[in-house]
Amino acid sequence: NAGVTQTPKFQVLKTGQSMTLQCAQDMNHNSMYWYRQDPGMGLRLIYYSASEGTTDKGEVPNGYNVSRLNKREFSLRLESAAPSQTSVYFCASGKGEARVYEQYFGPGTRLTVT
Amino acid sequence: RKEVEQDPGPFNVPEGATVAFNCTYSNSASQSFFWYRQDCRKEPKLLMSVYSSGNEDGRFTAQLNRASQYISLLIRDSKLSDSATYLCVVTLISNFGNEKLTFGTGTRLTIIP
Repeated sequence: NAGVTQTPKFQVLKTGQSMTLQCAQDMNHNSMYWYRQDPGMGLRLIYYSASEGTTDKGEVPNGYNVSRLNKREFSLRLESAAPSQTSVYFCASGKGEARVYEQYFGPGTRLTVT
Repeated sequence: RKEVEQDPGPFNVPEGATVAFNCTYSNSASQSFFWYRQDCRKEPKLLMSVYSSGNEDGRFTAQLNRASQYISLLIRDSKLSDSATYLCVVTLISNFGNEKLTFGTGTRLTIIP
């Protein structure tokens, strides 16, 4: 099992460019999440999907959109990148429900917006 | 006040020593508590849950003090491989009825040979 995979691993964008971060999991988990991690701040939830076909905003959703393509895949889109979106992005999946805390993270995407 | 606060460290500890660090949380309605571990430039991984009665997993002991609103992690006989950042995680039931996780910023631990 690959667990949670993310592409790309690294990306540099210019302000105003768009891109999609891809995430896939092979653990048959219902829930999937997108976080960002910045120095001096904890992981912050951007969006999550409790099950296939549903998505909800997290703590910091502005400037992002998501798509739960199927049970395995959950993508994050930056429509018009800004320097404030420079961060490390982690996708995670979990069984959800009573075990929301047990999340499995992908290796992360390091994004720099210049 | 931050919802979850941790001393960022770094804690530099000789191999074989015992080290402990705490995490405080601000919301007394917080439900559940966990420790995650994050190696340098890697993803976080669940280390252990924290129960009211305390729990132990090998060299690791986690405790919860609801009255003072903190959790702790104790590592005995520390190994070089314990070097990592330890993230405190607290859960809360949101206004919408779903469980929300809040991550601390982490405490960096370096074990020195």
